[in-house]
Amino acid sequence: DIQMTQSPSSLSASVGDRVTITCRASQGISNYLAWYQQKPGKVPKLLIYAASTLQSGVPSRFSGSGSGTDFTLTISSLQPEDVATYYCQKYNSAPPNFGPGTKVDIK
Amino acid sequence: QVQLVESGGGVVQPGRSLRLSCAASGFTFSSYGMHWVRQAPGKGLEWVAVIWYDGSNKYYADSVKGRFTISRDNSKNTLYLQMNSLRAEDTAVYYCARPVVPAAIDAFDIWGQGTMVTVSS
Repeated sequence: DIQMTQSPSSLSASVGDRVTITCRASQGISNYLAWYQQKPGKVPKLLIYAASTLQSGVPSRFSGSGSGTDFTLTISSLQPEDVATYYCQKYNSAPPNFGPGTKVDIK
Repeated sequence: QVQLVESGGGVVQPGRSLRLSCAASGFTFSSYGMHWVRQAPGKGLEWVAVIWYDGSNKYYADSVKGRFTISRDNSKNTLYLQMNSLRAEDTAVYYCARPVVPAAIDAFDIWGQGTMVTVSS
């Protein structure tokens, strides 16, 4: 099975900072990569799919890039409401594994 | 509106069984592959199982293979997860999730609110 890793595992940044989270697949997955946001006590929310396609209703400060094995999620200007854990997920084939998550909070 | 509502969670002793249900509404349930995803307390998301739109194919995470069975009843717009031989490490919130497109394997745009399963003596 393809394994997903994320870095960093956590980060603390100031409001307005540019934040980048990296996700790596153990084998190539083309662009079959999604990003989710999960706020404390809430259900996961799809942010980006197909590596770079923004889900409807998601603020444009979120963006995704990458293909193959290396992917990034960028928050261009961190906002207080972005405090959450972010997960990547590969879905080129079963099992559609998730990465371990990156916890983002405000400095 | 598009909605998934899980039920059936609770406290169960190790080795016992439990069946979860996920009632779907607001979309053509019979066209979509459906998934179960779980999250242990304080831990990350773990994919559990998928079933094709017509029930013809099913895949499981290694951690539940042979113990859990995913099924569906398209006439009732309902997804199920039969969990047998439960272990303490199965303690988690269980979510059902729908893919973005009517394909079995895709990103999940619709999630239920989750149902908590606690395995404890």
